[in-house]
Amino acid sequence: DAGVTQSPTHLIKTRGQHVTLRCSPISGHKSVSWYQQVLGQGPQFIFQYYEKEERGRGNFPDRFSARQFPNYSSELNVNALLLGDSALYLCASSTGPTSSGNTIYFGEGSWLTVV
Amino acid sequence: GENVEQHPSTLSVQEGDSAVIKCTYSDSASNYFPWYKQELGKRPQLIIDIRSNVGEKKDQRIAVTLNKTAKHFSLHITETQPEDSAVYFCAAPNYGQNFVFGPGTRLSVLP
Repeated sequence: DAGVTQSPTHLIKTRGQHVTLRCSPISGHKSVSWYQQVLGQGPQFIFQYYEKEERGRGNFPDRFSARQFPNYSSELNVNALLLGDSALYLCASSTGPTSSGNTIYFGEGSWLTVV
Repeated sequence: GENVEQHPSTLSVQEGDSAVIKCTYSDSASNYFPWYKQELGKRPQLIIDIRSNVGEKKDQRIAVTLNKTAKHFSLHITETQPEDSAVYFCAAPNYGQNFVFGPGTRLSVLP
């Protein structure tokens, strides 16, 4: 069975540009969460989606947005990129929402470098 | 919201020795605690988890203990091997929306 798949794996963007990151959850999983991991730190929560509805939002500016599609895949969009947005962006999937104590499984991540 | 502390930040042990990493959490309603291992340049991978209705769980050389009264849980690795070298993260649920992760422990197993 395929795990969580993310694309692209690596990308370099210029300050002010926009980026779209994509995620496909494990087959049968209906919840997708996005986390940002800065080098040397633990993952920080950005968004959670379950059944195409936003179930939670972390402490990130409005430049960050996301959505979940009918096939449960998801996109994370970041506008007006800043140098500080450089990080590993992790998508995690689970069978249900975190509120039900569901385990989350991470994809390999998208390494974003902003120059 | 939930706050998770993790100690130590770095840990070096000799191959074959045991390693213990401890995390504390703040929300007494939290009921599920996973541990993730992250090797350099890789994704965090779930290695073991525990729910609040049990006090201990084992999986081969790895065990997790939970003390709900003191609000802390610990990861125990016995007979450490070089391939155990990685960064380990604990996590706790935050109001059911997400997981809050600890800052990580860098474990080095010296041959």
